[in-house]
Amino acid sequence: DARVTQTPRHKVTEMGQEVTMRCQPILGHNTVFWYRQTMMQGLELLAYFRNRAPLDDSGMPKDRFSAEMPDATLATLKIQPSEPRDSAVYFCASGGHDSYEQYFGPGTRLTVT
Amino acid sequence: AQSVTQLGSHVSVSEGALVLLRCNYSSSVPPYLFWYVQYPNQGLQLLLKYTSAATLVKGINGFEAEFKKSETSFHLTKPSAHMSDAAEYFCAVSEGTSGTYKYIFGTGTRLKVLA
Repeated sequence: DARVTQTPRHKVTEMGQEVTMRCQPILGHNTVFWYRQTMMQGLELLAYFRNRAPLDDSGMPKDRFSAEMPDATLATLKIQPSEPRDSAVYFCASGGHDSYEQYFGPGTRLTVT
Repeated sequence: AQSVTQLGSHVSVSEGALVLLRCNYSSSVPPYLFWYVQYPNQGLQLLLKYTSAATLVKGINGFEAEFKKSETSFHLTKPSAHMSDAAEYFCAVSEGTSGTYKYIFGTGTRLKVLA
C-alpha cells in the first residue's frame, strides 16, 4: 500500500528555533508539493518540485522558509527562525508522471510557542 | 487565472438524505477538477476526478460528481448520507492542458450528518 509519509507528525517548538519537516513521496512519483493548512487561510501551496527541481516556491516566505529535495525519496521543509504565526499543519503530497492526481501525507502539526 | 468557490462552509444532512456539496470554478483553459475528503487529523484523500473524459464521474464511497461546462460547476453528490461521511470536503481545479499539475483548492465544506 504505497503512501506518502511525513515526519514528525507533531512538533512543538519555541519561537526562534529551527524546524525541519520531512516527506517521503510515493516511490516512483516525480512531483512533490508542500502545503500549509490553517483555519484562517485554508490550504496554501508553498512550493513544488518536479524531478527534484523546484518549479514554484512563490507561496513560501523566502526569508525564513526553505524547501529542498536532497534525493528522489526525501523532501524537506525548513523554517528558521520559527514564529508563532507558522503554527499550522504542513502537508506533503506527491504525484506521478503525467498524472494530475496528488496523494497527500498525514501532515505535520507544528505549534510554535 | 483559476479559482474555485465552494458554496456553504458547513452543510448538515440527515442520515439517509441526499448529500449535495457545491463547487464552481473559473479557468481560462480546460480544467481538471477534483474532490478530496479530509477526516479529522488526517491528510486529504482523493474522492474523484474529472480529466475531460466522461462528464459524470463516480468516485469512492458512493460519491459522484457531474462536470457542467455551461454552469462552470462540479457539484458532489451522494444519494444517501452515512454517519461516516462526516468530514471536510475540498474541491480543487488544475490547469489540465498546461502540465503544471498545480491545484487551486476551494475553502472547504464541512459536512455534518445527523442521526
